Amino acid sequence: DGGITQSPKYLFRKEGQNVTLSCEQNLNHDAMYWYRQDPGQGLRLIYYSQIVNDFQKGDIAEGYSVSREKKESFPLTVTSAQKNPTAFYLCASSAQTSGKQETQYFGPGTRLLVL
Amino acid sequence: SQQGEEDPQALSIQEGENATMNCSYKTSINNLQWYRQNSGRGLVHLILIRSNEREKHSGRLRVTLDTSKKSSSLLITASRAADTASYFCATFTGGGNKLTFGTGTQLKVEL
Repeated sequence: DGGITQSPKYLFRKEGQNVTLSCEQNLNHDAMYWYRQDPGQGLRLIYYSQIVNDFQKGDIAEGYSVSREKKESFPLTVTSAQKNPTAFYLCASSAQTSGKQETQYFGPGTRLLVL
Repeated sequence: SQQGEEDPQALSIQEGENATMNCSYKTSINNLQWYRQNSGRGLVHLILIRSNEREKHSGRLRVTLDTSKKSSSLLITASRAADTASYFCATFTGGGNKLTFGTGTQLKVEL
């Protein structure tokens, strides 16, 4: 799991509630990512950020929001607009070398359940 | 659709046997990566093979890449019960650092 932490490990959401998942890294990586994983499936990209104060939508951004105010932190908010939020959420980071695609390092994940 | 598709979806072997997993992808790549995920945990990077490489080794892992067939294989030799996990291939798509993952192979190594 390297130098990436995610909290909480488990999170319960009530209907209509927004919840925020935390992701912190001490690897001095410029780029950070959020993925969603459903049972028996691969990972799908929600949002990513290549530099502080900038982020882009991934493949399934609807119902989610992010911020990147600090290099170390990339919190993900699951809004009430996300109708099927139950999943395993994984945060990752990578070094950002110009023109070079880097390995991504993952946190331990947060499991979100809807009550 | 997934950029990478792993085959088989599930594999069960005895300890000491070799395990081979295959990955096919659709678009041109600069490199291909393999990751491992223990149940309920984050992913761990195993190995990266670049498009100009045909084979790469790391301990008991051997990865091959055939860019003409757009396929890669991961071989785990002398498997151990601790190798039980899901294995994913991943490639960069759309430029930048957007990794696209396959659906994974679930490997079970029995004693």
